[in-house]
Amino acid sequence: EAGVTQFPSHSVIEKGQTVTLRCDPISGHDNLYWYRRVMGKEIKFLLHFVKESKQDESGMPNNRFLAERTGGTYSTLKVQPAELEDSGVYFCASSQRYAQGSGNTIYFGEGSWLTVV
Amino acid sequence: DQQVKQNSPSLSVQEGRISILNCDYTNSMFDYFLWYKKYPAEGPTFLISISSIKDKNEDGRFTVFLNKSAKHLSLHIVPSQPGDSAVYFCAAKSETSGSRLTFGEGTQLTVNP
Repeated sequence: EAGVTQFPSHSVIEKGQTVTLRCDPISGHDNLYWYRRVMGKEIKFLLHFVKESKQDESGMPNNRFLAERTGGTYSTLKVQPAELEDSGVYFCASSQRYAQGSGNTIYFGEGSWLTVV
Repeated sequence: DQQVKQNSPSLSVQEGRISILNCDYTNSMFDYFLWYKKYPAEGPTFLISISSIKDKNEDGRFTVFLNKSAKHLSLHIVPSQPGDSAVYFCAAKSETSGSRLTFGEGTQLTVNP
């Protein structure tokens, strides 16, 4: 069974440009999460989808970030325009719909490294 | 306001010895705690967890201890193996936060042969 896959694995863009990160969750997982780790600090929650609906987007830093989950399948996270402080690793994770009570069913992807120069 | 803290950015131990990784939290609403392990260029993978109704959970070489009064938990690895070398993240969640996890900064564990 394929795990959570993310694309691109690495991206270097100039300040002011746009980047779109994609996440394909594990098949059948209704829950999809985006997290971010900046400069070796803690991994911070960005938002949570249940199918195509945004369940919790309280972690989104500002309106330069837009997340979508078309048809409740894959998700994209767009940063427009990118700023230097957006550099970091963006992790996507997924879990089954009724497995929210325990963290051991949350599976993470390998992350998308974003460098804004 | 960082609610989960791992004050040791790194830890180095000898193979066969015990590794103890510590984590402190400030939010008394947290009721479930997890440890994740992360290798370079990989995503975090679940290691072990503990509910706030317990004070200890053991899984093979890994044991997590929870001290609710001190808002402190620790992960013990014994015996430590070189393959355990990774970054370890402490995470917590609460009933009110749903499935949202709050992570610490991570501790880089190096197990020397």
